[in-house]
Amino acid sequence: DTEVTQTPKHLVMGMTNKKSLKCEQHMGHRAMYWYKQKAKKPPELMFVYSYEKLSINESVPSRFSPECPNSSLLNLHLHALQPEDSALYLCASSQEVRGLVKNIQYFGAGTRLSVL
Amino acid sequence: SQQGEEDPQALSIQEGENATMNCSYKTSINNLQWYRQNSGRGLVHLILIRSNEREKHSGRLRVTLDTSKKSSSLLITASRAADTASYFCATVPYSGGGADGLTFGKGTHLIIQP
Repeated sequence: DTEVTQTPKHLVMGMTNKKSLKCEQHMGHRAMYWYKQKAKKPPELMFVYSYEKLSINESVPSRFSPECPNSSLLNLHLHALQPEDSALYLCASSQEVRGLVKNIQYFGAGTRLSVL
Repeated sequence: SQQGEEDPQALSIQEGENATMNCSYKTSINNLQWYRQNSGRGLVHLILIRSNEREKHSGRLRVTLDTSKKSSSLLITASRAADTASYFCATVPYSGGGADGLTFGKGTHLIIQP
């Protein structure tokens, strides 16, 4: 099973709403990632979790709050977003073997978020 | 942050022809990967080339890497309509300790005309 599952596929929210994006993988990967992709642009890294601990935060505004409850799950909590936060949010996972850098990532289909 | 330019930004060719796209990057790398993305969906890993390799093949794909020029190219031979997608190069930093985010190039949108 090489699947990364993201829910929901689409989300529309107002600027005062609180919502969460969910990502799940059952490949035994210990590294998980959130990326943001605007239309016709490449993905941009937001967060990296390694062994359930946040290892990289690319200076993302605090209205985005990641959470890794266990090795299979990754959440992204959204609060007080702005219209410019509308984008495709992609989750990925990779097998992390300490001392071996390869980092082939498996991506979910993404959540398309619209902030009104 | 983005690594650099991808060239061309868009490419339209006839089915059966070969497609070549190029990528440049800025920092020292451990490896460079190519990914495909169909219509704003998830990305799919295609091929990985390490910094000490110069050329790699996988099926109809051929990738080259020139670390002195910090550039890579992806060649897709005998293109098919199903190859229509956006293609991104992505780098893993040299100093990477395992779980590093990928830094993507701007991408090439490839259209295969039937």
